[in-house]
Amino acid sequence: EAEVAQSPRYKITEKSQAVAFWCDPISGHATLYWYRQILGQGPELLVQFQDESVVDDSQLPKDRFSAERLKGVDSTLKIQPAELGDSAMYLCASSSQRRTGELFFGEGSRLTVL
Amino acid sequence: AQSVSQHNHHVILSEAASLELGCNYSYGGTVNLFWYVQYPGQHLQLLLKYFSGDPLVKGIKGFEAEFIKSKFSFNLRKPSVQWSDTAEYFCACTSGTYKYIFGTGTRLKVLA
Repeated sequence: EAEVAQSPRYKITEKSQAVAFWCDPISGHATLYWYRQILGQGPELLVQFQDESVVDDSQLPKDRFSAERLKGVDSTLKIQPAELGDSAMYLCASSSQRRTGELFFGEGSRLTVL
Repeated sequence: AQSVSQHNHHVILSEAASLELGCNYSYGGTVNLFWYVQYPGQHLQLLLKYFSGDPLVKGIKGFEAEFIKSKFSFNLRKPSVQWSDTAEYFCACTSGTYKYIFGTGTRLKVLA
């Protein structure tokens, strides 16, 4: 069964450092989402891509966060500089918009900022 | 702005009890509604979805949900829960742009 791949699974960093997360969606899925999930809360949408284009990044803190999906396949989410409040699980999900609208999630990348 | 609210944050039930988790959305246009489940140590996965047609939808593992447009609700139900249903449940809503918004989640614990 095809899966969404994410790395790293865990990342511990000090504040003010740069961090990057990578996501490889299910092959053929045009839509890719990055979410942030703080413990005890629901996933919060950070950015949505349709192929290589950003469809929505209204909730992305653009002063420190950036996301790209250059070739419309895999994607990178970067934080620079990291702050204590960025500690969370970063989830990547993909969807084939033409079909069910179901999101397929990766295992997530857990970030701890010290 | 589009939003989803889940009323119950923590629910504790005994096995065989009936379950109903509330979900309300705020969006006046056409919506698609979903329930996702996250079992301990696993990633989020789809439980059931509503796009159109019969407002009562059935999902996996005996779950069902009813879309009531007049109440902007999409409550999740199961007649008899099992210990293995212990998980966190998230309601989600999408509009025409496929912007996926999730609720805050309900943590269900089923006592054996």
